Amino acid sequence: AQRVTQPEKLLSVFKGAPVELKCNYSYSGSPELFWYVQYSRQRLQLLLRHISRESIKGFTADLNKGETSFHLKKPFAQEEDSAMYYCALKGGSYIPTFGRGTSLIVHP
Amino acid sequence: DVKVTQSSRYLVKRTGEKVFLECVQDMDHENMFWYRQDPGLGLRLIYFSYDVKMKEKGDIPEGYSVSREKKERFSLILESASTNQTSMYLCASSLSQSTNYGYTFGSGTRLTVV
Repeated sequence: AQRVTQPEKLLSVFKGAPVELKCNYSYSGSPELFWYVQYSRQRLQLLLRHISRESIKGFTADLNKGETSFHLKKPFAQEEDSAMYYCALKGGSYIPTFGRGTSLIVHP
Repeated sequence: DVKVTQSSRYLVKRTGEKVFLECVQDMDHENMFWYRQDPGLGLRLIYFSYDVKMKEKGDIPEGYSVSREKKERFSLILESASTNQTSMYLCASSLSQSTNYGYTFGSGTRLTVV
């Protein structure tokens, strides 16, 4: 079975502070991991994929197989980063499992 | 710009009504999905389809059915709406079973059952 845990329902930071949104997974094989974001009144959209090793809007995420984590990080948060963030795992099935989401609020 | 379009943004229905939620994608994607999104519960998969006329149950299929008569259209049906089906419903599609591809989501339909 595969599982994704986002331990924080809500993360509140001030503008310019570093941000780390936690994601832990449970899967015995080689996972494919994703971060999705949903800004207010917008559709859910793919933010980044671990396989791409890319930085999108200043966010990065590194797969740590030893700790089974895929935390999303940004060194300096901006107000426009306020959104709902979902971590997702694709394991043996091509159907991803989503975490419950973390709401990020960046205060001015 | 590729699109997944859900026909209604907001719907209000009465308990016991039969409800149809429509989703259309213009990307020639093989796979289509229906999720419900609830605060604190994240996204839960209701049904998915990997080909025309094919459907598979997700994690919470009870009280729902689906129809995929054409590749571009995937309908979610609430046979007899109940108040616990009040939720945000998200349709998504993906190109293939390859693990490299993410989903493209629709804007969502917020359904209220009274």
